[in-house]
Amino acid sequence: EIVLTQSPGTLSLSPGERATLSCRASQSVSSSYLAWYQQKPGQAPRLLIYGASTRATGIPDRFSGSGSGTDFTLTISRLEPEDFAVYYCQQYGSSLSSFGQGTKLEIK
Amino acid sequence: QVQLQESGPGLVKPSETLSLTCTVSGYSISSGYYWGWVRQPPGKGLEWIGSIYHSGSTYYNPSLKSRVTISVDTSKNQFSLKLSSVTAADTAVYYCARLKQTSGVAFDIWGQGTMVTVSS
Repeated sequence: EIVLTQSPGTLSLSPGERATLSCRASQSVSSSYLAWYQQKPGQAPRLLIYGASTRATGIPDRFSGSGSGTDFTLTISRLEPEDFAVYYCQQYGSSLSSFGQGTKLEIK
Repeated sequence: QVQLQESGPGLVKPSETLSLTCTVSGYSISSGYYWGWVRQPPGKGLEWIGSIYHSGSTYYNPSLKSRVTISVDTSKNQFSLKLSSVTAADTAVYYCARLKQTSGVAFDIWGQGTMVTVSS
């Protein structure tokens, strides 16, 4: 079973700043099987990035994903007020899946 | 557009079986895609429960495998989750979702979620 560890647990930043979120896997993950989601309180998760670096439909270009192997990153170039939420990474390999524990992005 | 809607009891007694259904609109399940279930205990993170292909092939989270059954009913355009021998630890919001597999694998469309409480 692949374990995903996200860091930091909480990230406190101001609008306009750059956010860098990390997702580390316990074993190598194919880039095709790494995704990022955003979740706001009381809402279902929203797909942001799939295939490690491809933005989902309608996702602003301030969101970008990168990485390979065991280390993946979600970057938000300039934070907007609506970006403060919880972010999860997910892997889907060998037909089994797991999520990271999440990073809470809060307003400083 | 494609929409998913969970339905089922909001309260289940300990040791009983939790049963939920996801109704898909705007797309025929028999046309393809994998479909899955994800849950989220109050104040906690997301947990993948399992996925099913329209043909019926299933894949389950190893930690839940002994208690989980996911099935599909193409005639009703629905897929379902059964979780047996529930305890308070199974209290969560349960989401159904569609798994895309082109150019990358991810859950691209989600239901709104349904809260299930396990309590006597």
